[in-house]
Formats: sequence, C-alpha cells, structure tokens
Amino acid sequence: SQKIEQNSEALNIQEGKTATLTCNYTNYSPAYLQWYRQDPGRGPVFLLLIRENEKEKRKERLKVTFDTTLKQSLFHITASQPADSATYLCALVEGNNDMRFGAGTRLTVKP
Amino acid sequence: EAGVTQSPTHLIKTRGQQATLRCSPISGHTSVYWYQQALGLGLQFLLWYDEGEERNRGNFPPRFSGRQFPNYSSELNVNALELEDSALYLCASSLAYRDTEAFFGQGTRLTVV
Repeated sequence: SQKIEQNSEALNIQEGKTATLTCNYTNYSPAYLQWYRQDPGRGPVFLLLIRENEKEKRKERLKVTFDTTLKQSLFHITASQPADSATYLCALVEGNNDMRFGAGTRLTVKP
Repeated sequence: EAGVTQSPTHLIKTRGQQATLRCSPISGHTSVYWYQQALGLGLQFLLWYDEGEERNRGNFPPRFSGRQFPNYSSELNVNALELEDSALYLCASSLAYRDTEAFFGQGTRLTVV
C-alpha cells in the first residue's frame, strides 16, 4: 500500500540549532515533492518544492533534499528560531497532479 | 489578489444531517483539492477536481461527494453526518500544470453533535 511517513510526531530543539525533518514514502512515484508549514487552526502554507531530478533546493534558512533511490526527503531549518515552531508537512505529487500529504512533524524551538 | 476562500468558517450540525462546504479557488486555478484533518491528525485526501471533473477520490465512503462548477469553485457535501466527521475541512487550489504549489484556504471547522 502507499505510505508517506514523517519521522516523528514531534521534534524539540534549542534555538539556533538545525532542525532536520524526514519524509519517507513507499509505492509512490512522485514527480515532485513539497514542504508546507501549518500553524494551529490554519491552512498549510507552501515553503519549498523539489523536482524528481533535483537533489537539493535552498531558500533562505531552509534546505530540502530529495533522494528518489532512498525514497526520502530531508527538510532542514538552520539557525532555528521560536517563530519556526509549527507543524511541517511533506506532500508528494505524482505526474497527474494528485497531491498526498504525510501526517506532519510538530516542531518546537525552545529559546 | 484574493486567496482561496472557504465558507462557512464554522458549521455545527446534528448527526444524520447533511453539510455543504464551499470553496472559491484563486483566480485562474482550475484544480481544487479537498482534505479532511481531524484534530491532531494529518491531512486525509478526500477529492480532487480539475476542469470541472472529478480526477480522484480518497478512501472515504460515498456519502462524501462534491462537484466543481464552471467557474472552478467547488462544493463538498457530506450526507448522513456521523460524530467522527467532525474535523477541519481544507480546500486547496493550484494551476493545472505540474511543478506548482497549492494554496490553501483557512478551512471549515465542522462539528457534528
């Protein structure tokens, strides 16, 4: 069966450290993968998109990698801040634009 | 430019009733996705519409249905409401072609009592 698994439900780190979130998938052939941020009671907000033929993408303090052999994406937030505390979702999009989400990882950055 | 708008923001229904949720996509977006997010859980895929047609549906019973109108707005209907249907229902829209992000509305909080 198809699965999208994000490494843990919750991740707690200290301010200034790098947060690393994992997204693993099985029985998908994604054309691209996206990461979203969701704050409580609100809709997800797009952060980054990485295509199947790309290894790495960066945007300010954010970095995402995509390994189609391992079927895994890593999402990094460097120099983390308390304002980065939120739930982060990975989404796989197959060639037909079908978009499926993982359960998310709740990140807490402590001052 | 207006974002994705969903109405109503909150909806309280009694078990057995029907609920209708509405979504207006960003202008120019032809794809609309619906997701259910129960409290503390991830987004469960419900339905995907593009160009007025249902392209795919998730593992939900037939009492969850919807449609997309010629102006690309969409409606989600839930019949014979059950207590476990209580959740945040999120709508997202995107352009039809690949490599594009999705934009989400703020959701409709449905409570079934």
